[in-house]
Amino acid sequence: NAGVTQTPKFQVLKTGQSMTLQCAQDMNHNSMYWYRQDPGMGLRLIYYSASEGTTDKGEVPNGYNVSRLNKREFSLRLESAAPSQTSVYFCASREDGYTFGSGTRLTVV
Amino acid sequence: EDQVTQSPEALRLQEGESSSLNCSYTVSGLRGLFWYRQDPGKGPEFLFTLYSAGEEKEKERLKATLTKKESFLHITAPKPEDSATYLCAVRRDNYGQNFVFGPGTRLSVLP
Repeated sequence: NAGVTQTPKFQVLKTGQSMTLQCAQDMNHNSMYWYRQDPGMGLRLIYYSASEGTTDKGEVPNGYNVSRLNKREFSLRLESAAPSQTSVYFCASREDGYTFGSGTRLTVV
Repeated sequence: EDQVTQSPEALRLQEGESSSLNCSYTVSGLRGLFWYRQDPGKGPEFLFTLYSAGEEKEKERLKATLTKKESFLHITAPKPEDSATYLCAVRRDNYGQNFVFGPGTRLSVLP
């Protein structure tokens, strides 16, 4: 099925560990996004990529880095995880409305 | 400051009991209001886009409407399978790559 694929689905990290969340879309969309979702706060934009080769900060970029590897793939890296980064992370791509992946539930202990 | 609020935070309905969810926004230069449905453990799924005051969209038991300050998602004769969290988001005029999401309304429809 066409859509956005995220891996992994679940992850537990210790404070200070690093990890990369992977995202790929097969809809030939130019724009890709990383959001985090926390209870009562709505989805907040971390980083986005308007097109291959470009990335820009969103509302809450601190502690994260991204790479737009090609048109299909957009990864999110946590260099030194902190408990405040415990959240559910969603990748999305967009033409008009968003198409979201199924999410990565990350716990930092 | 651009802001999107949704009410109520949670809503419990009996099957067949119609109701409405509210999305209020204070955004300059609205370029679209989007409704999404999110099931537990899944990503949001697109429902509707509304672009101008007075516009309405319908899909099965759902009907979305838009005014200059708010949007309503009307649910007619809901079924248990309509239980989900409903999110609204607005696209801002000066931030073509950025949307502002509301916190969502968690809807439970009891059989």
